[in-house]
Amino acid sequence: AQSVSQHNHHVILSEAASLELGCNYSYGGTVNLFWYVQYPGQHLQLLLKYFSGDPLVKGIKGFEAEFIKSKFSFNLRKPSVQWSDTAEYFCAVNAPAAGNKLTFGGGTRVLVKP
Amino acid sequence: EPEVTQTPSHQVTQMGQEVILRCVPISNHLYFYWYRQILGQKVEFLVSFYNNEISEKSEIFDDQFSVERPDGSNFTLKIRSTKLEDSAMYFCASSSLSSYNEQFFGPGTRLTVL
Repeated sequence: AQSVSQHNHHVILSEAASLELGCNYSYGGTVNLFWYVQYPGQHLQLLLKYFSGDPLVKGIKGFEAEFIKSKFSFNLRKPSVQWSDTAEYFCAVNAPAAGNKLTFGGGTRVLVKP
Repeated sequence: EPEVTQTPSHQVTQMGQEVILRCVPISNHLYFYWYRQILGQKVEFLVSFYNNEISEKSEIFDDQFSVERPDGSNFTLKIRSTKLEDSAMYFCASSSLSSYNEQFFGPGTRLTVL
C-alpha cells in the first residue's frame, strides 16, 4: 500500500520569503502526484498535479513542484509567498494500479506573516 | 465554475443514531468518493463509487457504512449506528470519466457524535 509523509507540520514565514514543502511517498510502481491546498474555511483545492512527462510542474498561484523519482519525492515550492498563501497544504498520491483512491500526507500548515 | 456541494455543513448526533451525509457532485462527473479526516489526523479514503456500485473501499468502511446514489444528482454516505470515533470531517469528491485521477472536493461535513 502507498503512504505519504510530509516532514513539516507547521511553517511560519514572512511575505516575500521562499517556500519549500517536502513530500515523500512510498510505492514501488507508477504514481500520480498531487498537491492540494485548503485555505481557512474553504474546501480542498487542487494546486497542481503530476501524471507523466516533465517532472517540473507548474500550478496555480505561482506554485511549482518537482517529481524526483529516485528520491520518491514531490516537493512544493514558491519563490515568493504572499499573506494570502496562508493555508494548509496536502500532498497526495494515487497509484493507478491500485485504483483511484488518493492517499494523503498529514498536511503542512503554512502561516505567512504580513 | 462547477463545485461539489455538501450538506449539512455540521451535523451533531447522539451515539447509536443513524446519520446521512449528502453530496451533490459536479454534474458530468461519474466517479464519486468519500474521505474523512479525524481531528489532527490525515485525510483518509473511505470509498469510491462508479456505475452505481462500490469500486473500492477501505477497511474503515465496514458494515456500518453505506453509500447510495438515490437519483441523478445526489451521492449519500450513511452511517447506520454512529460511534464516538466517527466524529470527523467527511469530504465528498468527484471526478470525470476523462480525468478520473483529478478529484474535486466538497467543503466537508463536520460530524460530531456525542
